[in-house]
Amino acid sequence: QKEVEQNSRPLSVPEGAIASLNCTYSDRGSQSFFWYRQYSGKSPELIMSIYSNGDKEDGRFTAQLNKASQYVSLLIRDSQPSDSATYLCAVKRGYSTLTFGKGTMLLVSP
Amino acid sequence: DAGVTQSPTHLIKTRGQHVTLRCSPISGHKSVSWYQQVLGQGPQFIFQYYEKEERGRGNFPDRFSARQFPNYSSELNVNALLLGDSALYLCASSFDVANEQFFGPGTRLTVL
Repeated sequence: QKEVEQNSRPLSVPEGAIASLNCTYSDRGSQSFFWYRQYSGKSPELIMSIYSNGDKEDGRFTAQLNKASQYVSLLIRDSQPSDSATYLCAVKRGYSTLTFGKGTMLLVSP
Repeated sequence: DAGVTQSPTHLIKTRGQHVTLRCSPISGHKSVSWYQQVLGQGPQFIFQYYEKEERGRGNFPDRFSARQFPNYSSELNVNALLLGDSALYLCASSFDVANEQFFGPGTRLTVL
């Protein structure tokens, strides 16, 4: 059973801090990794994709991938209250569809 | 450019009824995937279509069916609705089955 695990406890950070969100996956054949942001009552929005080991930066967001450890993370620098949302990690093997974790809620306090 | 569109936005049905949800992908995208998201969970895969052919099916009962039309739009049908079918139904569009998926706004289905 392919699984994607995320910390179910909400993450609270003050405005301006770095938020670190983590995800582990069980399928070693996973090749593509995604982070989606989902505001309450809305649909998921793709914010980052990463395919090879290392870091990928886009603005205030950095995705990190370590395939040997089956671990992917998302760093959000200079966190803003508008970043408060649930962050979903999703993985994909080849042409298969996405497998999602349950998401981690991020709360950024002013 | 228009994103993924879904209709209706909200729907209330009673147990035993049938429902049809509709999705139009991003222009140029040929693959549509359907997901079910219940409160507090991540989206669960239901179906994937590419070029009008079913490319994948998740662990859902036969009450769930779907199809893709020549213009790449798609319908998800659910028969004999159960209370447990209450969820947000998401359609995701991608250029093909290997590419990034972009979600529509979803259809909120409530079964009473």
